[in-house]
Amino acid sequence: NAGVTQTPKFQVLKTGQSMTLQCAQDMNHNSMYWYRQDPGMGLRLIYYSASEGTTDKGEVPNGYNVSRLNKREFSLRLESAAPSQTSVYFCASKRGAGANTGELFFGEGSRLTVL
Amino acid sequence: AQSVTQLDSQVPVFEEAPVELRCNYSSSVSVYLFWYVQYPNQGLQLLLKYLSGSTLVESINGFEAEFNKSQTSFHLRKPSVHISDTAEYFCAMHQGGSEKLVFGKGTKLTVNP
Repeated sequence: NAGVTQTPKFQVLKTGQSMTLQCAQDMNHNSMYWYRQDPGMGLRLIYYSASEGTTDKGEVPNGYNVSRLNKREFSLRLESAAPSQTSVYFCASKRGAGANTGELFFGEGSRLTVL
Repeated sequence: AQSVTQLDSQVPVFEEAPVELRCNYSSSVSVYLFWYVQYPNQGLQLLLKYLSGSTLVESINGFEAEFNKSQTSFHLRKPSVHISDTAEYFCAMHQGGSEKLVFGKGTKLTVNP
């Protein structure tokens, strides 16, 4: 029972390089999210997908793009990485859209360092 | 604007002592409130939630939180902590009608022997 799976777990990039973080969930959830976690900042929402085929910006979308490939998968792309994007990235999923559809289930995180 | 404030960034306590982690929220509409816990090098997991009904909610490992609408608070309490409760705790708010879950900045609880 994998839940939410993120790859890679660790990545080091040089400034200007691009990469994609992959996320997949096996719980048949409709909604998926990407957060970044920085010390003393809590979690900040980058992008979310309330349902398959839709994506919306969160609190800190600049420098990122997302793709909801199908119901299971939601990827996050950094087109030209910057040192300010050094962070731990978490993917999460939820059963449905709306505030009362239960809790988020999180992956284990992807630690990204941009030199 | 909606926001979640966790008043303490770090809380050190001794084993078997009581603890309270404070959380206040700001919202002009109905809210749903959550506490998540993050153990070192792991993702977040739900500890407890308030969606509706009884304002006092409990977790399976002895934590409880009370939704106080008049004080816009959702403080987390445990009467006697264990070493294994050492973790970072995040309060989060979900506004009715919004898809976004807003997190506080977290409180690191350290339980010392």
